Amino acid sequence: QQQVKQSPQSLIVQKGGIPIINCAYENTAFDYFPWYQQFPGKGPALLIAIRPDVSEKKEGRFTISFNKSAKQFSLHIMDSQPGDSATYFCAASIKTGANNLFFGTGTRLTVIP
Amino acid sequence: DVKVTQSSRYLVKRTGEKVFLECVQDMDHENMFWYRQDPGLGLRLIYFSYDVKMKEKGDIPEGYSVSREKKERFSLILESASTNQTSMYLCASSPNRGGYTFGSGTRLTVV
Repeated sequence: QQQVKQSPQSLIVQKGGIPIINCAYENTAFDYFPWYQQFPGKGPALLIAIRPDVSEKKEGRFTISFNKSAKQFSLHIMDSQPGDSATYFCAASIKTGANNLFFGTGTRLTVIP
Repeated sequence: DVKVTQSSRYLVKRTGEKVFLECVQDMDHENMFWYRQDPGLGLRLIYFSYDVKMKEKGDIPEGYSVSREKKERFSLILESASTNQTSMYLCASSPNRGGYTFGSGTRLTVV
């Protein structure tokens, strides 16, 4: 059973476009929602994260929107660039000592010049 | 620069071999994790450890075991490698209540 559902599986946008990747969860105990970016041949790297006490967080061109009542969160990439082409994973964790993250299945983003 | 280092980038093993994948972190993190990554399936947790000599099963532990004798090192063991264990294996570490740092991965092919 997938704890975090992510869509779409792949996404192609033109340079300058705003790709949006969506994630949904059911477990209301989740209290930490990070996004990871993975380039080919590399491990995922933490991109941006949010906790449920805020509805939006921005870091540079990357924004997380969080809707607690709908149990959904999304990643927006402003003014997308070819260098943003990567696989993006959303995740969620419960407040436990081991800090286990539950990952979405990933979105492969291609930004066309 | 903090790091999670996986000992091999590419590995080819024969069916039935015992395989060891090593992971070392230099951040004094309490938690360490092993995932496998397959197209369309995302990251699936195999095992994790929240302390030295402690281990917990993840979502897909069958056919794997782990060892954590020192805080900085977490080893994944394939007792008898099979072709369906061909995959990308990712190690990660984290402090309590913090983000994960991943290694670059080991692409294992079992022939």
